[in-house]
Amino acid sequence: AQSVSQHNHHVILSEAASLELGCNYSYGGTVNLFWYVQYPGQHLQLLLKYFSGDPLVKGIKGFEAEFIKSKFSFNLRKPSVQWSDTAEYFCAFSDTGRRALTFGSGTRLQVQP
Amino acid sequence: GAVVSQHPSRVICKSGTSVKIECRSLDFQATTMFWYRQFPKKSLMLMATSNEGSKATYEQGVEKDKFLINHASLTLSTLTVTSAHPEDSSFYICSARDPSGRAKDEQYFGPGTRLTVT
Repeated sequence: AQSVSQHNHHVILSEAASLELGCNYSYGGTVNLFWYVQYPGQHLQLLLKYFSGDPLVKGIKGFEAEFIKSKFSFNLRKPSVQWSDTAEYFCAFSDTGRRALTFGSGTRLQVQP
Repeated sequence: GAVVSQHPSRVICKSGTSVKIECRSLDFQATTMFWYRQFPKKSLMLMATSNEGSKATYEQGVEKDKFLINHASLTLSTLTVTSAHPEDSSFYICSARDPSGRAKDEQYFGPGTRLTVT
């Protein structure tokens, strides 16, 4: 069955700390990979996506993610977090045929000033 | 970017009644929309794929007679929760694909609808 595993459920960091959120997916075929962010009280917004090409993708607000096919992973990184990054982060993928998204359980990031 | 709206944003209804939630793509035509359900502190679970002009495709375990989906136009899909019960209380989120957009396979999410059944 298709699934996404996010290893960190709740992460607390101080401002300027580096961030890495883990994401592993389970699917045997070609996938499109996404990271979404949900700020408190707001709807899901796309941070970045990978369809093909360079496995290191850059998104908005200084976030980046690396697709490692051999590890079925798509970890999210940011070198220096800000208080405004406090939010829930969801990793997701879709297979190229079905197009619906399979989401991970989310990681709540809390950045302390 | 593309905008998707949902109405209402919040609804409280009594057990046994039906509730309709609308999902609209405001500046693009969406042949496909998706309905998700988000439980507290949990992830989004796909309920069904809504296709304009044809029947929705439901995920395993989702009762199609309870969660009626209609995609009557290229900009509107509706989800009707029939004979609602307290266990149907949840956050319902829709998304839409813009097939003509440059961002292939990208989905745009609505702000969600909080349903509370008393």
